Amino acid sequence: SQTIHQWPATLVQPVGSPLSLECTVEGTSNPNLYWYRQAAGRGLQLLFYSVGIGQISSEVPQNLSASRPQDRQFILSSKKLLLSDSGFYLCAWTRVSDSPLHFGNGTRLTVT
Amino acid sequence: GQNIDQPTEMTATEGAIVQINCTYQTSGFNGLFWYQQHAGEAPTFLSYNVLDGLEEKGRFSSFLSRSKGYSYLLLKELQMKDSASYLCAVMGNAGNMLTFGGGTRLMVKP
Repeated sequence: SQTIHQWPATLVQPVGSPLSLECTVEGTSNPNLYWYRQAAGRGLQLLFYSVGIGQISSEVPQNLSASRPQDRQFILSSKKLLLSDSGFYLCAWTRVSDSPLHFGNGTRLTVT
Repeated sequence: GQNIDQPTEMTATEGAIVQINCTYQTSGFNGLFWYQQHAGEAPTFLSYNVLDGLEEKGRFSSFLSRSKGYSYLLLKELQMKDSASYLCAVMGNAGNMLTFGGGTRLMVKP
C-alpha cells in the first residue's frame, strides 16, 4: 500500500531563517506531488505541484520554492522566512489526475 | 478562475441529519471531492463525484449537479466524532490541480 511521510511535524523558526520541509511517498511510482498551505481557520491554498522529476509548477508567487530531486521526494524551501509564512503545510500525492489527493500529516510552521 | 463557496460554520444535533452545500464556478470540471479535516490534522478523503447524482457511502452521501455547479454532502445519524471541517474541492481543466473551498466547520452537539 502507498504511504506518504512528511516531516517535521512542528517547527518554530525566526524571521529571516531558511526553511526545508521534506515529503516522500512510498509504494507507488511517478506520483503527482503537491504542496498546500493552510492558514489558521482557512482553506487550503495550492503552492506547488509536480508531475515528474524536476518539473515544478508554482501557483502563488512568494518567497517559497519547491524541488523534486527524486521521483518520490518533494521538498519545500525558503531562503528567508517571513511572519506571513506561518501556517499548516501539507504535502499530498495522487496517482492520476482524477484520483483523490492523499495528504501527509502536515507540518505546523510558526515563524516568530 | 476558480470560485468555490460553502458555509463557514454549521451546528447540528447528535443523531440528526445535516446537509453541507457547495457551489462552484470553475474553468472546466473534472470532478468534485469532499474531505473531512479534524482540528490540527490533515484532510482525509470522503467522496468523489464526476457524474450527476448521488453517491452513498455508509452514513455519508454526496450529490452533484454539474449544470447548477452545485454539490452537497449529507451526513446521517450524526455522531460527536463528526465534528470537523468539511472541505469541498474541484478538479478543473488543469487535471492535476485541485482547488479547495474555505471549508465548513461542523459542530455536533449532544
